[in-house]
Amino acid sequence: ELKVEQNPLFLSMQEGKNYTIYCNYSTTSDRLYWYRQDPGKSLESLFVLLSNGAVKQEGRLMASLDTKARLSTLHITAAVHDLSATYFCAVVNAGGTSYGKLTFGQGTILTVHP
Amino acid sequence: EAGVTQFPSHSVIEKGQTVTLRCDPISGHDNLYWYRRVMGKEIKFLLHFVKESKQDESGMPNNRFLAERTGGTYSTLKVQPAELEDSGVYFCASSQAGQGDRYGYTFGSGTRLTVV
Repeated sequence: ELKVEQNPLFLSMQEGKNYTIYCNYSTTSDRLYWYRQDPGKSLESLFVLLSNGAVKQEGRLMASLDTKARLSTLHITAAVHDLSATYFCAVVNAGGTSYGKLTFGQGTILTVHP
Repeated sequence: EAGVTQFPSHSVIEKGQTVTLRCDPISGHDNLYWYRRVMGKEIKFLLHFVKESKQDESGMPNNRFLAERTGGTYSTLKVQPAELEDSGVYFCASSQAGQGDRYGYTFGSGTRLTVV
C-alpha cells in the first residue's frame, strides 16, 4: 500500500527566511503533485512533477522530485506572509484499477510571521 | 472555464439522517474523484468515476455511502444513515481522460459535513 509522509507537519517561519518541506513516499511512482489550500478553499495545484530530477519553480516556491529516493521537496525562498497556507504533496498510484488515484501526505501547515 | 463546483459548502445533520453531496466537474472531464478529509487526518481517496462507470471504489468506507454519476456529468455522494465519524470535508476532483496525471487534477472547494 502506498504511504506518503510529509514533514514537518507544522512550520512557523519568519518573513524573509528559507525553508524546505519534505515529502517521502513508499512505493514506486513518477507522478507527484504539490497543492496549496487556504482555509475553506479548494486545493490549488502548484506543481506537477512527472519525472526523476524534475524541478519546477514558481515565484518563491521550488519543487523537485527524486524518484530513486522516493522524495520530493518544496523549497520556500524568502518567505512572505501570503505563503501562509496548508501544503499537501500527493502521489499517483500507477497501474491497475487505481490509476489516477492520489495518495496524500498529511499536509504541512505553514505560518509566516513578521 | 468554470471550475469544479461542490454543494452544499456546509451541511450540519443529525446522526441517522441522510445527506447528499453534489459535485459538478469541469465540463468534458471524464474522470471524477471523491476524497474525504476527516479532522486531523490526511485526505483519503473514496472513489473514481470514468464517465458514468465506477472505476475504483476501494476507498468507500462502508455501504452507508452511495455514489452515482448520472450520464457521466455531475456526481452525488449520499450518506445514509449518517454517523458521527462521517464528519469531515468531502472533496471532489476532475480531470480529462488521460490527462490528469500530466496536467494535474482540479479540486472543488469541498463540502464540510458535520454530523451531530
